[in-house]
Amino acid sequence: DIVMTQSPDSLAVSLGERATINCKSSQSVLYSFNNKNYLAWYQQKPGQPPKLLISWASTRESGVPERFSGSGSGTDFTLTIRSLQAEDVAVYYCHQHYSRPPFTFGPGTKVEIK
Amino acid sequence: EVQLVESGGSLVQPGGSLRLSCLASGFTFGNYWMNWVRQAPGKGLEWVANINQDGSEKSYVDSVRGRFTISRDNVKNSLYLQLNSLRAEDTAVYYCTRGGDTTGYFLSYSWGQGTLVTVSS
Repeated sequence: DIVMTQSPDSLAVSLGERATINCKSSQSVLYSFNNKNYLAWYQQKPGQPPKLLISWASTRESGVPERFSGSGSGTDFTLTIRSLQAEDVAVYYCHQHYSRPPFTFGPGTKVEIK
Repeated sequence: EVQLVESGGSLVQPGGSLRLSCLASGFTFGNYWMNWVRQAPGKGLEWVANINQDGSEKSYVDSVRGRFTISRDNVKNSLYLQLNSLRAEDTAVYYCTRGGDTTGYFLSYSWGQGTLVTVSS
């Protein structure tokens, strides 16, 4: 099984500042056939279900603010919130959907306002 | 607008059974892979099972294989999860999620609000 790790476990960032979350997979999730990284990011606000933010490591879903961006390839990925807003307080999960099940999630990173 | 509405969660004793349902609307249900993802209280997300468009392919996480069964009814626009031999560690909110149609099969593009399963004596 592919194991997903995230760092940090939590971070506190001032409003308007940058938040950076890292995600690492135990094996590559880059599919050479189509050169796509099978890595997604979800945001879960308190009391709500998760929401897909970014697919294919760097593609923002429709309606997701431009301050959210994803990067990385292979085994190392990053979610960046360029200018943190109050409504971005949430837990963020990375998720690999490469090849075969189980399609594992990272443990989550909690983002709070400093 | 995509809507996924789960139901069927409740308090059940260890060893008991439960059937979860998910009613889908706002999209052509039969064109999409579907998933169940769960979240134990205060914990992270765990992918549980998925099923392809016509129900011919099903996959499970090891911890539920042989105890849980995923199924779907494309006429009723519904996804199901039969939970048998329930254990305390199955206690969680169970989310129904929509996967992809022609790509991103195993992503969770849309999520329901979830239904709570509590396994306790």
